Parts: sequence; C-alpha cells; structure tokens
Amino acid sequence: EAQVTQNPRYLITVTGKKLTVTCSQNMNHEYMSWYRQDPGLGLRQIYYSMNVEVTDKGDVPEGYKVSRKEKRNFPLILESPSPNQTSLYFCASSLLVWASGRTGELFFGEGSRLTVL
Amino acid sequence: AQKVTQAQTEISVVEKEDVTLDCVYETRDTTYYLFWYKQPPSGELVFLIRRNSFDEQNEISGRYSWNFQKSTSSFNFTITASQVVDSAVYFCALSEHQGAQKLVFGQGTRLTINP
Repeated sequence: EAQVTQNPRYLITVTGKKLTVTCSQNMNHEYMSWYRQDPGLGLRQIYYSMNVEVTDKGDVPEGYKVSRKEKRNFPLILESPSPNQTSLYFCASSLLVWASGRTGELFFGEGSRLTVL
Repeated sequence: AQKVTQAQTEISVVEKEDVTLDCVYETRDTTYYLFWYKQPPSGELVFLIRRNSFDEQNEISGRYSWNFQKSTSSFNFTITASQVVDSAVYFCALSEHQGAQKLVFGQGTRLTINP
C-alpha cells in the first residue's frame, strides 16, 4: 500500500530535549516536505527536499533541521524544542512535476502531534 | 507572492442543506494549480481535487462540486445535500510554480453538519 508514515504520532516533551520525527514513503517520490498546522494559520511549509541531499527552507524553518540521506526518508529534527513548536506536523511526498508530467499531488502522512512543555 | 484566503472560519448547517465553502487566491503566475483537501476529525488530510489554471470547467463528483472562476480568483467548493460525515476542516491550497511543488494553504474552514 502506498503511504507516508510518520513516527511518533503523538509526543509530549520538555523544552530543550532534542527530538526527531521520522517520515518514510514507499512510493519512490523525489519530493518530500514538512508542514506544521496551527489553528487559524492553516498549514505552513517548514522544509522541503527535491531529492537526496537536496533540501531547502520553507516559510517557517526556524528551530528545525532536516536531512535527506535516503530517498525514502526525510526526518524532521528539533534540536532544542520550545513551546512555540507545539503543533501538528505533517510530512508529505510527491513525484516531481517534470517527471510526472503534471503537478504532483501531495501524499500526506497521518500527522504527528507534538507538545512541548 | 501566492496567498490563499478562506474567509469562513466556521460554518454550521443542518443535514441535507447545501453549503458552499469560499476560496480566494492570489498569484502572479499564469500557470498554477488549485487544490481542496479535507481533514476529518481523525486528523489526516484527504485529497479532494486538483484544478489547473487553464481548465475553468466546473467539476462535479457526486455531492461535491467546484466552481473555478479566474475572473474573481476564486475556487469555491459546494456540498449538496450535506451529511454528518461531511463534518471536517476543509483546506483550499495553491501551487504556483510547475517545478516547485510547494502548496500554500488557506486557513481552513471548519464545517459542522448537524443532524
């Protein structure tokens, strides 16, 4: 089954304790991205990656790191989490447009709800 | 810069009523793509439709229909004969550059269908 898998789905942590949210897709997609969802703000892009070892900042990258060492994985790293990073996080993937011939429909993971105390 | 506005924060209707969710977008590109996603209470994002800027035909899928009007930069979503299962948050989104893949989302509209 084609899917994007995020872990953990729920996490409560404390300020300053490093954490990683993993994201893995089994569709051989080149493009992967992280979004955060906050009430009244919709979803905002944090980072994205066009391929292995190619990453770039989205609209709200502060406080986050990512890496893309393998095509299928795109972990989101919070080196020193703060309460303002309490949010619902979504990982997404798609084929690159020029490869698929049409704009890529984003496939989303189920979301990871993070609370930073 | 691209922007999507969903002015209706919350809508509540009684089952079987028709309801329209508004979406207004801003973009400087002539080629762009518009999307609607549904987020049910379980939290996942469900893809509903993609429309490219060259195709202004309205689309109907069962009880769902979409009205794309470039003249007013709107991409509205109508649910006919609403059902309780339609209760969800609905997001409109815009992708500007063909190669960029980035989706810019509206703030979302929380739709509640009451029995």
